[in-house]
Amino acid sequence: DTAVSQTPKYLVTQMGNDKSIKCEQNLGHDTMYWYKQDSKKFLKIMFSYNNKELIINETVPNRFSPKSPDKAHLNLHINSLELGDSAVYFCASSQDRAGGKAFFGQGTRLTVV
Amino acid sequence: AQKVTQAQTEISVVEKEDVTLDCVYETRDTTYYLFWYKQPPSGELVFLIRRNSFDEQNEISGRYSWNFQKSTSSFNFTITASQVVDSAVYFCALSEAGTGGFKTIFGAGTRLFVKA
Repeated sequence: DTAVSQTPKYLVTQMGNDKSIKCEQNLGHDTMYWYKQDSKKFLKIMFSYNNKELIINETVPNRFSPKSPDKAHLNLHINSLELGDSAVYFCASSQDRAGGKAFFGQGTRLTVV
Repeated sequence: AQKVTQAQTEISVVEKEDVTLDCVYETRDTTYYLFWYKQPPSGELVFLIRRNSFDEQNEISGRYSWNFQKSTSSFNFTITASQVVDSAVYFCALSEAGTGGFKTIFGAGTRLFVKA
C-alpha cells in the first residue's frame, strides 16, 4: 500500500482553469504538507496542517486553497491557473510538527498552457 | 532567518569513488532539525536522515555517513564507494520552530552523477 498517495500524477490544463490535487496518507500521521518544486528543482513549503488545522501558510497566492477534511487527507485547490503555477507539487506527511522524517507522495506534475 | 546552502550544484564521480555533499545552514534557534533527502530520477523524495540540534554525533548507515558540526554550521553527507544507483539530487533541509509549527526549508540540491 502506498503511504502517501497523490492524484493525479500529471495534470495539463489551460490558463484560467480551476483544478484540484488530492492527497491521502495511510500512516496515521498528524501533520501534512504541500510543497512546490519548480523547474530548477527548488523545493518550497506552501502549507502545513496538523490534525486538520492550518499551522503554516507561506506567502502563497490566495488562488491556492488547501482543504483538510480529516487528518488523513489534504487537498489543494488552485483557482485561475497561471503559467507560473507549472511545477511539481508534493504532498507529504510526518508524525510530528517538526517536519522531520516526512514521507512524500510521488508528486503531481502540473503544466499550465 | 533560516537558510540552507548547498554550494555544489552538480558533482560527477566514477563508480566506487567516495563523494561528500556539503551543506551549510543558518539559524537563530537553538532547537532545530537537519535532514537529508534523496530525489532519484524517478522523482520521488526519500528521507535519509534527521538530526536534532542537540545531537552532534556522526552517523553511519551502510555506505552513507553524516558529519554534523555545529561549530561550522555544517551537516555534510558522504557516500562511500559510490554506485550508479546513487545518482540523484540530494537535498539538505533545516526545520526550526515558527508560528504554529516547525517550518522546513530546503537547500537548492546537489545533483550527483555516478558513472559506471
